[in-house]
Amino acid sequence: EAQVTQNPRYLITVTGKKLTVTCSQNMNHEYMSWYRQDPGLGLRQIYYSMNVEVTDKGDVPEGYKVSRKEKRNFPLILESPSPNQTSLYFCASSPRGLAPGELFFGEGSRLTVL
Amino acid sequence: DAKTTQPNSMESNEEEPVHLPCNHSTISGTDYIHWYRQLPSQGPEYVIHGLTSNVNNRMASLAIAEDRKSSTLILHRATLRDAAVYYCILRDERESNFGNEKLTFGTGTRLTIIP
Repeated sequence: EAQVTQNPRYLITVTGKKLTVTCSQNMNHEYMSWYRQDPGLGLRQIYYSMNVEVTDKGDVPEGYKVSRKEKRNFPLILESPSPNQTSLYFCASSPRGLAPGELFFGEGSRLTVL
Repeated sequence: DAKTTQPNSMESNEEEPVHLPCNHSTISGTDYIHWYRQLPSQGPEYVIHGLTSNVNNRMASLAIAEDRKSSTLILHRATLRDAAVYYCILRDERESNFGNEKLTFGTGTRLTIIP
């Protein structure tokens, strides 16, 4: 089944404790992206990647890092999480160019930073 | 990105058709109209998209006004599974050339299906 898989789905952590949210897709998509969703603000893009070893900032990249060493994986790294990073995070992928604007989203990772 | 306006919420009876409106009066000639929906506790899901002509797929139909300043997502026979937040999004396809497939989500329309 074609899917985008995120882990963990739920996480409670404390300020300053590094964490990684993994994202994997099995559709051989070139493009992957991370969004965060907050009440009243909709979904905002954090980072995106057009292909392996090619990443770029989205609208709200502060406090986050990403890497794209393999096509299927695009982890989101919070080096020193803070309470304002408490949010619902979504990873998305796209075949890029083949279906412009058609993104496939994961089920989300709810992160709470105390 | 050009802005869209949707009602905050709508209700519909189960097994009835649902028409979800979207206004986009500042749409440009290269903006595609995309619809996504987000079911409870899930990520957004692609529904349909179009440019000028009406579009149909297995999930829904998209009716686009002749002047393209508005569009309507049509669910032909609503089921309880269609209860979700529906997002109408404009996306300039020229952005594809720069590589970022970003979608700008607003607050959408929360659709409630009444059994």
